[in-house]
Amino acid sequence: GDSVTQMEGPVTLSEEAFLTINCTYTATGYPSLFWYVQYPGEGLQLLLKATKADDKGSNKGFEATYRKETTSFHLEKGSVQVSDSAVYFCALSESRASGGSYIPTFGRGTSLIVHP
Amino acid sequence: NAGVTQTPKFQVLKTGQSMTLQCAQDMNHEYMSWYRQDPGMGLRLIHYSVGAGITDQGEVPNGYNVSRSTTEDFPLRLLSAAPSQTSVYFCASRSGWGQTSDTQYFGPGTRLTVL
Repeated sequence: GDSVTQMEGPVTLSEEAFLTINCTYTATGYPSLFWYVQYPGEGLQLLLKATKADDKGSNKGFEATYRKETTSFHLEKGSVQVSDSAVYFCALSESRASGGSYIPTFGRGTSLIVHP
Repeated sequence: NAGVTQTPKFQVLKTGQSMTLQCAQDMNHEYMSWYRQDPGMGLRLIHYSVGAGITDQGEVPNGYNVSRSTTEDFPLRLLSAAPSQTSVYFCASRSGWGQTSDTQYFGPGTRLTVL
């Protein structure tokens, strides 16, 4: 079945450092790929997504490129801020549930801590 | 537009008690789901619904019931609470129908402790 593997955290960085959070996936077809972010005490919200190979999703300075050849969707940001401290979830959507809708598969999440 | 709302935000139960976690969305989304989030386990799908009157089990359905009588509401019932159900519960909804690119919208969560 589908699966998503993320690097374990926490990832601890100083402000303005470069960020990479690795995500690889297993899927049988052509999934859409997502990064969701969860700020402390809140629910998840979409950060960015990509729907086909070589697409780049971007938002708030974060980027991720859909790499089908390496089945990866790594999240990057050139200069992190303290306000980026959160848990980041990689997800894919492919499996078809009953009724024709797709059930997303989530990774376990990677905690990012940014120090001033 | 309130999005996805959940009540209560916090709840403490004793073992064996029952309760209902409420979830509502005002975006006319067909697909709704319930997840639990536990440390080191990420999100695990409990139940989902593809429309009013249609529900199905996810990865960890035991001990939970759901029903979907309206498009807006998707309550989660704990039949007889157990300490293993201590968790943070998230409700989510999604627009579209059969599109892998559809974004999920999450509620703020309910933090449940079972003593």
